[in-house]
Amino acid sequence: QSALTQPRSVSGSPGQSVTISCTGSSSDVGGYKYVSWYQQRPGKGPKLMIYDVSERPSGVPDRFSGFKSGNTASLTISGLQAEDEADYYCSSHAGTYVLFGGGTKLTVL
Amino acid sequence: QVQLQESGPGLVKPSETLSLTCTVSGDSINSANYYWAWIRQPPGKGLEWIGSIYYTGNTYYKPSLKSRVTISLDTSKNQFSLKVNSVTAADTAVYYCTREVASTSHSWGQGILVTVSS
Repeated sequence: QSALTQPRSVSGSPGQSVTISCTGSSSDVGGYKYVSWYQQRPGKGPKLMIYDVSERPSGVPDRFSGFKSGNTASLTISGLQAEDEADYYCSSHAGTYVLFGGGTKLTVL
Repeated sequence: QVQLQESGPGLVKPSETLSLTCTVSGDSINSANYYWAWIRQPPGKGLEWIGSIYYTGNTYYKPSLKSRVTISLDTSKNQFSLKVNSVTAADTAVYYCTREVASTSHSWGQGILVTVSS
C-alpha cells in the first residue's frame, strides 16, 4: 500500500503543455481503469479533473486529458494558463481501498 | 446538487478518539449509486484515503489504518461518521468527507482541521 509515485514538481510556460506521471503497480494503476486526478489550489480543497483514466467531469476544460499505459497513468495539461498553477494528485482503485500519489506541484513560469 | 459538511471537535488529546460527522444534503446516503468516504491531508502534505462505507453498511479501510478506524452510517440523520482511536500528532490533518463513485471522489466537503495536542 505504498503511495503512487508522482514527480514532486513540474513547470511550464503559458501556452505550453506539461505531463504529470503517476506510477503504481499491477495491483492498482495497472489493474483497473479507476484512475483519477485532482487539482488543489493553495488554501482550497481538491477538485476532480479526470476520472476513469480519461473522463472529464462537466466543466473541466478539454485542455486536461488523461491516459494510462501499463502501471503508469498520466495527466497532460495543454495550453498552460496561470490559473493551472496548483498541486495535482492522482489516485487509483487498489482492490478494497484507494491509493493516492504524493502530489505534484505545477508551476506556471 | 449534493453538499457535504464535516463537523466535530477541532482539538483532540493524544491517545483519545477523534470523532467526526459528515452531514449530507441534496442526496440520500441510502443510495445504491455511491460510496461515502473520508480522506485526510496533514498540513503541508498529500492526500490520504482513510476508508469508505456503502449504504448496506459494508466498510472498506486503508490497511495501515484499519485497526484504528471505524466508519458508520446514520440514515435517520443522513449522516456518516468517522472514528479514529488512539490518536497521535501524526493524525493532525484536514479531514474531508466525500461522495465516491468507482473509487473517485466527485463531491467533497470543505474540510475540517483536527489538531491532536495536549
